[in-house]
Amino acid sequence: AQSVSQHNHHVILSEAASLELGCNYSYGGTVNLFWYVQYPGQHLQLLLKYFSGDPLVKGIKGFEAEFIKSKFSFNLRKPSVQWSDTAEYFCAVNAVGTYKYIFGTGTRLKVLA
Amino acid sequence: EADIYQTPRYLVIGTGKKITLECSQTMGHDKMYWYQQDPGMELHLIHYSYGVNSTEKGDLSSESTVSRIRTEHFPLTLESARPSHTSQYLCASSDKRGGETQYFGPGTRLLVL
Repeated sequence: AQSVSQHNHHVILSEAASLELGCNYSYGGTVNLFWYVQYPGQHLQLLLKYFSGDPLVKGIKGFEAEFIKSKFSFNLRKPSVQWSDTAEYFCAVNAVGTYKYIFGTGTRLKVLA
Repeated sequence: EADIYQTPRYLVIGTGKKITLECSQTMGHDKMYWYQQDPGMELHLIHYSYGVNSTEKGDLSSESTVSRIRTEHFPLTLESARPSHTSQYLCASSDKRGGETQYFGPGTRLLVL
């Protein structure tokens, strides 16, 4: 069965610290990969996505993620977090050509000013 | 900003009542989805639709039903609400033009007493 694992459920960082959120998935076929973010009181929105090509993708607000196919991973990174990055982050996998989107359990990030 | 709307945002209702959660999108997307999300848990797909008059059940068994009579509208109905239906319900839509990126509504938080 397909699954998505996010290793950190809660992360607390100080401003300017570097961030890396882990995401691993299990699926043998071709996938599209996503990171979504939900800021307090707002909709889930797309942060970045990978479909094909360069495995290092850049998203909004200075976030990036790297797809490592051999490790089935799609980790999210940001070199220097800001207080406004406080949010919940979800990794998601879509099996190409299907309706299936599998979401991780989310990581709550709190950035201290 | 995605144009996908859900009403009501919050609903408290007694056991046995019939409820309909509304979802509308103005982007002309052909695919629409309903997810259920409990606090601290991943999103679980309960229904999806590829287009008008096309609806399918998702991976998570649900007593709810859906309809898709118009492209922009995808309501979810519970004929007889129970406390076990207490959850957050998220509606989303996607389209090939957007690379199947899902756009989410604000969600409906349902509490059944």
